[in-house]
Amino acid sequence: GENVEQHPSTLSVQEGDSAVIKCTYSDSASNYFPWYKQELGKRPQLIIDIRSNVGEKKDQRIAVTLNKTAKHFSLHITETQPEDSAVYFCAASRRALTFGSGTRLQVQP
Amino acid sequence: DTEVTQTPKHLVMGMTNKKSLKCEQHMGHRAMYWYKQKAKKPPELMFVYSYEKLSINESVPSRFSPECPNSSLLNLHLHALQPEDSALYLCASSAGTEAFFGQGTRLTVV
Repeated sequence: GENVEQHPSTLSVQEGDSAVIKCTYSDSASNYFPWYKQELGKRPQLIIDIRSNVGEKKDQRIAVTLNKTAKHFSLHITETQPEDSAVYFCAASRRALTFGSGTRLQVQP
Repeated sequence: DTEVTQTPKHLVMGMTNKKSLKCEQHMGHRAMYWYKQKAKKPPELMFVYSYEKLSINESVPSRFSPECPNSSLLNLHLHALQPEDSALYLCASSAGTEAFFGQGTRLTVV
């Protein structure tokens, strides 16, 4: 089955800095790669996604890149704000989502 | 309606009890999922229903029994659970790729 590895497990940045989270996947048949933000006690919320036929996607301060050859994808958050503090999960999907282990992002004011 | 609704929000049950979790969506999605999430861990896939048929069972113990009565409803029947089954149970639905998650049922087994 699919295996998704995510790094780093924790990330602390100063407000206004950029944050980068990286994931690798194992199943070359996976074709959909979403990123979720989960605040304590709440459901995962989709923040951005990318399909396997696209190399990069941007939505305001958030961008995702995908390298199919290397089987890795990354989340970039620019101009971080304290409200960006949460746990972020990457996922890969062919028939269902397989999640990475999560990154706890802390943005220091 | 773009919501996936799960009931109950919280559930405390004894190891000899039988209970059910319910999930409902009215977005016309034909794929529905159960995930289990332990504290500080990612969601783990349990079951996938596609067009009301069970298509994936991730080797889940038989004390968890899923049911899809119709295209809008997904149930998870619980029986003889163990304390280690305490977790957040998330339901999701999808029309293809993007998955919409319910707010989850926080289950505590005592």
